[in-house]
Amino acid sequence: QKEVEQDPGPLSVPEGAIVSLNCTYSNSAFQYFMWYRQYSRKGPELLMYTYSSGNKEDGRFTAQVDKSSKYISLFIRDSQPSDSATYLCAMKTGANNLFFGTGTRLTVIP
Amino acid sequence: GAGVSQSPSNKVTEKGKDVELRCDPISGHTALYWYRQRLGQGLEFLIYFQGNSAPDKSGLPSDRFSAERTGESVSTLTIQRTQQEDSAVYLCASSPGRTTGRGQFFGPGTRLTVL
Repeated sequence: QKEVEQDPGPLSVPEGAIVSLNCTYSNSAFQYFMWYRQYSRKGPELLMYTYSSGNKEDGRFTAQVDKSSKYISLFIRDSQPSDSATYLCAMKTGANNLFFGTGTRLTVIP
Repeated sequence: GAGVSQSPSNKVTEKGKDVELRCDPISGHTALYWYRQRLGQGLEFLIYFQGNSAPDKSGLPSDRFSAERTGESVSTLTIQRTQQEDSAVYLCASSPGRTTGRGQFFGPGTRLTVL
């Protein structure tokens, strides 16, 4: 079993839709949770960072962490064509390396 | 721009040859990471440098892989006797310090193809 599981999609939605992206994990020691966005042929860029359980909102993006269920989510409101990318969840304990999901490819159709 | 840069952007090599990949981190960032991203898979941690401390090499898949970093500047990842399964995008990231999860800044990657 992988430490981080993420549905690879692909996911296609119409412009303006609410998008829900999710990851599950098995290591209860994970404390830091991140979402990265990766455009084609580019490196990942950090979108959201959350410590422990709870919600965090930044503009159209909301990250949720439920440590009791080992489940994290990213919601995108009023999705735009420019949101079309691969979204990667990542998490870590206090140690050095990040553990990534495989990424979900999202396409927002105008 | 002052982002992380990597070179070359693409590298095609023959099986058995050695390759060197280069990473220039953001100036002032003391932490540097190498990851591998195979097609359809998530990023796989390879190695981590923090200042002058001994690197964390726990993610290197075999002794054919090695990396160096001079001080807090450029890093090179070397793959000896390349194999076809080494084909992947190799990503470098840097961060301001011993990150507590505030995120790492990634370069565009080097796409390695081993024929």
